[in-house]
Amino acid sequence: GAVVSQHPSWVICKSGTSVKIECRSLDFQATTMFWYRQFPKQSLMLMATSNEGSKATYEQGVEKDKFLINHASLTLSTLTVTSAHPEDSSFYICSARDAVLVWSNQPQHFGDGTRLSIL
Amino acid sequence: DAKTTQPNSMESNEEEPVHLPCNHSTISGTDYIHWYRQLPSQGPEYVIHGLTSNVNNRMASLAIAEDRKSSTLILHRATLRDAAVYYCIGSYGKLTFGQGTILTVHP
Repeated sequence: GAVVSQHPSWVICKSGTSVKIECRSLDFQATTMFWYRQFPKQSLMLMATSNEGSKATYEQGVEKDKFLINHASLTLSTLTVTSAHPEDSSFYICSARDAVLVWSNQPQHFGDGTRLSIL
Repeated sequence: DAKTTQPNSMESNEEEPVHLPCNHSTISGTDYIHWYRQLPSQGPEYVIHGLTSNVNNRMASLAIAEDRKSSTLILHRATLRDAAVYYCIGSYGKLTFGQGTILTVHP
């Protein structure tokens, strides 16, 4: 149980285009999902907390107009990288928690990540 | 989130126990101690978490010091599939990942 599916797993696109990444919780409902970014040989950096039915909460230094998050249902959150540039190339990972509250000690279940390459 | 300190890397032989240490001297009373691991090109995988008491599950054991300033993740019999980066996190709610410990398992 507790599977999180992320799609696509890999995308290459031209500079200036927008890219949408989907994160789905397959066998549980997730009020809260999280989006991370990971550069090569570095640790994960939390970008934002995605809340179902409300606006996402972004971490300091993350441009909310650049990284649009939509959490339209209890099983789906999307991250759109708008007008992507080469410096946005990274490994994007989502996670979801099978819990109602953001502040919970329940484990996070992670997707397998999306490798984004902007040419 | 509590600041955690882990060794950069550790090595083990297959089928031997592995003890991965973590220091979290600034942990608050409500912060849980979480362990996740990440294989190359994959998302992290939950391993175990606890608050004060030692915890066991099918993957590992978590030994928490009485003063909660440190903890140890115990893999009872390492396999090649356990080679990964192991992250120790002290938090309640959001997870803040540090650099973790790269575990190498030798056949």
